[in-house]
Amino acid sequence: RKEVEQDPGPFNVPEGATVAFNCTYSNSASQSFFWYRQDCRKEPKLLMSVYSSGNEDGRFTAQLNRASQYISLLIRDSKLSDSATYLCVVNLNTGGFKTIFGAGTRLFVKA
Amino acid sequence: EAQVTQNPRYLITVTGKKLTVTCSQNMNHEYMSWYRQDPGLGLRQIYYSMNVEVTDKGDVPEGYKVSRKEKRNFPLILESPSPNQTSLYFCASTRLAGLNEQFFGPGTRLTVL
Repeated sequence: RKEVEQDPGPFNVPEGATVAFNCTYSNSASQSFFWYRQDCRKEPKLLMSVYSSGNEDGRFTAQLNRASQYISLLIRDSKLSDSATYLCVVNLNTGGFKTIFGAGTRLFVKA
Repeated sequence: EAQVTQNPRYLITVTGKKLTVTCSQNMNHEYMSWYRQDPGLGLRQIYYSMNVEVTDKGDVPEGYKVSRKEKRNFPLILESPSPNQTSLYFCASTRLAGLNEQFFGPGTRLTVL
């Protein structure tokens, strides 16, 4: 079983749609959580950190459920420019600082 | 401008010919890391460093070496490259405090023939 698992993609949605991505993690040493965005084999860039209390940034809302080891990302009012791969990322506190990426979910937003 | 730089950006080489991919950051970050990205597998951590002279293995360290002699530089060394090391490589850095956002370099596309 992968340590970080994401919804299989791709997701194809029309402009204006709401889309939800899910992610589960298995390591109890997981300490911090993020969603990154990656465009077409370019470098990943931070979209948002994820907190237990939930956090929102414009059209994007992220949620963490530590009990279920589950992370979500909600995108409202999808734009064409949201088309990208979304990566769920977990940092492990194992005495060091290991980072585990999910395989990513591809989103296509169409006009 | 705060950034992570990698060189070269593209490299085609042959099996067994030693190579080094350089990584440098100008943000005074303690933590640096190398990842490889392969289709369907996502990014996998090769090695990371929490400070100068402190390095540790990630999930896929076999066939790679790293060094951290200076805070700003974290080169990735392939002593004897093999075709299964053909991949897209990313270097990243961050501050240790708060386990924050990692800043990534632009990537190095390596092909080993």
